[in-house]
Amino acid sequence: DGGITQSPKYLFRKEGQNVTLSCEQNLNHDAMYWYRQDPGQGLRLIYYSQIVNDFQKGDIAEGYSVSREKKESFPLTVTSAQKNPTAFYLCASNRQGMNTGELFFGEGSRLTVL
Amino acid sequence: GENVEQHPSTLSVQEGDSAVIKCTYSDSASNYFPWYKQELGKRPQLIIDIRSNVGEKKDQRIAVTLNKTAKHFSLHITETQPEDSAVYFCASDGSSNTGKLIFGQGTTLQVKP
Repeated sequence: DGGITQSPKYLFRKEGQNVTLSCEQNLNHDAMYWYRQDPGQGLRLIYYSQIVNDFQKGDIAEGYSVSREKKESFPLTVTSAQKNPTAFYLCASNRQGMNTGELFFGEGSRLTVL
Repeated sequence: GENVEQHPSTLSVQEGDSAVIKCTYSDSASNYFPWYKQELGKRPQLIIDIRSNVGEKKDQRIAVTLNKTAKHFSLHITETQPEDSAVYFCASDGSSNTGKLIFGQGTTLQVKP
């Protein structure tokens, strides 16, 4: 069953703790992305990676970190420096080529910081 | 960078009526304009997309139109059904050629039976 798997689906953490969200894909896609979704604000890009061992900041990268050691995996760490981390986080992937194509999304991870 | 504005933020229609959602973008080099549907608690899924060399595209009850001169594109849903109720997002790819998408703020569509 091909697709993108995010875990955990729900996560509760205390303020000041770092949290890592997992994203794995078996679609053989080169590019992977992390978006944050807040009510009324659409999806905002946190980080993206077009190739293994390389990644770029998106529009709201402050307080987040990522790694891309394997093509299949793109974990996101929400650090204690992120001022308002409670949100719904979506991981996505697509093929890289001449034209931008469809983004495939995971089921999302809902993080609540208490 | 690219900016995408989407209107309205909420839309309520009677079953069988049409619904129209509009988006404007800022980067004239943008080439790819997809629309995603997100049902409550689920992942966004692509419902239709259009590229800059095409003015209109249809798929059964949904259609997208693109006006490159005015830098806006619209989603049209005809004969709406209760299962069309969801949040709809427009997006564009900007000019970076990285594959990333910039999304609008979303429109919550409610179809009343």
